[in-house]
Amino acid sequence: GQNIDQPTEMTATEGAIVQINCTYQTSGFNGLFWYQQHAGEAPTFLSYNVLDGLEEKGRFSSFLSRSKGYSYLLLKELQMKDSASYLCAVERDYQLIWGAGTKLIIKP
Amino acid sequence: GAVVSQHPSWVICKSGTSVKIECRSLDFQATTMFWYRQFPKQSLMLMATSNEGSKATYEQGVEKDKFLINHASLTLSTLTVTSAHPEDSSFYICSAPPRSEGLETQYFGPGTRLLVL
Repeated sequence: GQNIDQPTEMTATEGAIVQINCTYQTSGFNGLFWYQQHAGEAPTFLSYNVLDGLEEKGRFSSFLSRSKGYSYLLLKELQMKDSASYLCAVERDYQLIWGAGTKLIIKP
Repeated sequence: GAVVSQHPSWVICKSGTSVKIECRSLDFQATTMFWYRQFPKQSLMLMATSNEGSKATYEQGVEKDKFLINHASLTLSTLTVTSAHPEDSSFYICSAPPRSEGLETQYFGPGTRLLVL
């Protein structure tokens, strides 16, 4: 079957770094998305990884290892506005398989 | 965990035809469901909020007569793209928060890829 796992909730301190992991087992893989979703809003695209390695985009970086079925989203210099849910989704055969999302709580 | 399904997974149709997309919550009830469009490597754009037993709420710029939404039961919402045109080709995704939980908890469907020729 298809399975994507992310931690349910994480807490971090403002100004710190946090890594949100996503592991997946899917039959087929085209790429992996990370989205940020604030409560009551539509998810916002953060990254799309197809190849192994780290992609950096400002304070956010995303890493993928296809052989290990593993990805992480790295958030640096955390700000209070980063408090949100972070969704990992695998694209396969033009479909998205969603993780349940990780609720990130930022404390001052 | 909660599962949301969509049918069909993908559809190709001729310009001018109508296409119906179903969104089902398989193991929970949802009084509200959300419909999104996604363009390649972009954010999900909320199109409308589907409310069971009442009219859908459409986002600004979304034509309600073109994108008909019906939320006839607590487990099913349908989106009908009427008189589809090539510019309607997109990836349509629904999500649903379980009735027993707040809107913060949403489960997403796998999406329906529509190609209008």
